[in-house]
Amino acid sequence: EVQLVESGGVVVQPGGSLRLSCAASGFTFDDYAMHWVRQAPGKGLEWVSLISWDGGSTYYADSVKGRFTISRDNSKNSLYLQMNSLRAEDTALYYCAKDISPVGASWFDPWGQGTLVTVSS
Amino acid sequence: NFMLTQPHSVSESPGKTVTISCTRSSGSIASNYVQWYQQRPGSSPTTVIYEDNQRPSGVPDRFSGSIDSSSNSASLTISGLKTEDEADYYCQSYDSSNHGVFGGGTKLTVL
Repeated sequence: EVQLVESGGVVVQPGGSLRLSCAASGFTFDDYAMHWVRQAPGKGLEWVSLISWDGGSTYYADSVKGRFTISRDNSKNSLYLQMNSLRAEDTALYYCAKDISPVGASWFDPWGQGTLVTVSS
Repeated sequence: NFMLTQPHSVSESPGKTVTISCTRSSGSIASNYVQWYQQRPGSSPTTVIYEDNQRPSGVPDRFSGSIDSSSNSASLTISGLKTEDEADYYCQSYDSSNHGVFGGGTKLTVL
């Protein structure tokens, strides 16, 4: 069974840093691109970032560019999101999602259950 | 960049058919595939339509997708509505630089 399990979400102060992780299992991790998508409480989905199968290509939403860094460790079947200079508006449930292609920009399947990041003093 | 605009909410009775629209603000709707995701309360999203009109295995054929270049929009149609279809639905596409774009979401009520 394909499974994605996010972790690392906590309460952090504005200006702080955090690293989210996503552990993948049930598929050949380095065959697929991966995404981070977030959802603020009671709001809609917002695409955050994409990384290709080998980590050679990365893409970011304008709202996080320069503050967040997506990476992956294919030897550990893991995806990461390093989040710096956090703001209140970054408060959200962060989902990792598997792309169905190795280079990305296709559809997501499946999604993890999400990890909650709260930015508050 | 472009935006995808969806109605905030729609409602329909069980057994009926409902269509949810997704209008692209600039650029052609046909230039990048459109996906539709279903999110039931308290759950993660799942795909109901990919590449404009394709259904993943396990999604009933009551769900269908289409695009209309004349209105520059995509549509998700659900026929034979069931109470289990009650959920939020999001359209999604990409820009020319592989940045994902989601619509604001539509809350479907089956009453």
